[in-house]
Amino acid sequence: GQQLNQSPQSMFIQEGEDVSMNCTSSSIFNTWLWYKQDPGEGPVLLIALYKAGELTSNGRLTAQFGITRKDSFLNISASIPSDVGIYFCAGREGGADGLTFGKGTHLIIQP
Amino acid sequence: EPEVTQTPSHQVTQMGQEVILRCVPISNHLYFYWYRQILGQKVEFLVSFYNNEISEKSEIFDDQFSVERPDGSNFTLKIRSTKLEDSAMYFCASSGGQALYEQYFGPGTRLTVT
Repeated sequence: GQQLNQSPQSMFIQEGEDVSMNCTSSSIFNTWLWYKQDPGEGPVLLIALYKAGELTSNGRLTAQFGITRKDSFLNISASIPSDVGIYFCAGREGGADGLTFGKGTHLIIQP
Repeated sequence: EPEVTQTPSHQVTQMGQEVILRCVPISNHLYFYWYRQILGQKVEFLVSFYNNEISEKSEIFDDQFSVERPDGSNFTLKIRSTKLEDSAMYFCASSGGQALYEQYFGPGTRLTVT
C-alpha cells in the first residue's frame, strides 16, 4: 500500500522554540491532513489542506500542501508545554476514502 | 462542539470470541470509518461506509470483520472470531457536510485479546 515518510521521528526542543516536521510520499495526494494525538486518545484534526501550494494557519500552527502534491509540512511556532504529543500527517489519494497515515513525529518539550 | 463517541473504552476478550465495538458519529455526517492502531504504530485504515454500504476497505478488513449501521445514530464494527493480533486501539471517524474530507476521530476502544 501507499507509504508516507514522516520526519523527524522525534524532536526534543526547548519551550519557545519553533518546530518543523514534514511528510513525503511517492504518490500524489489530493488532500493532506495533520493530526495530533495525546496518549490514550484519538487523533485530533489540526489542519486540512486541499490544493497544491496551499498554506493554511491555525493559531501557532502553519501547514503547507507541497507544489508536487507529494509532500506537506507542519510548523509550530513558539512551542508551549501543551504542544507535547505525537503529530501525524495523513493523505488521501484521489478516489479513495481512507487516509494513509505517517508514522508520527513525537514532540517532547524540555523545560 | 459535536464529537464522535465510542463505547466501550476498553474491551478485554478471549481469543475466538466475537466482539462488537460501537460508535456514534457526528450527527450530520454521512461518511463513517474505522481505523486501528497497534500499540506504538501508525493509524491504519480499515473500512469506510456511506449510504448503508461499504464504500472502501483495506486488506486488513477481511471476512472476520463486518460493519453495520443498525439505526440512525450508531455505527458498529464486529470482529467475528478474535485473534491475538487483533489487539489494538480501534478508532471510529466520521466526515460530511462542506468539509467532506475532514475526518473527525473518536477517543477509541482499546481491544485486548487474551
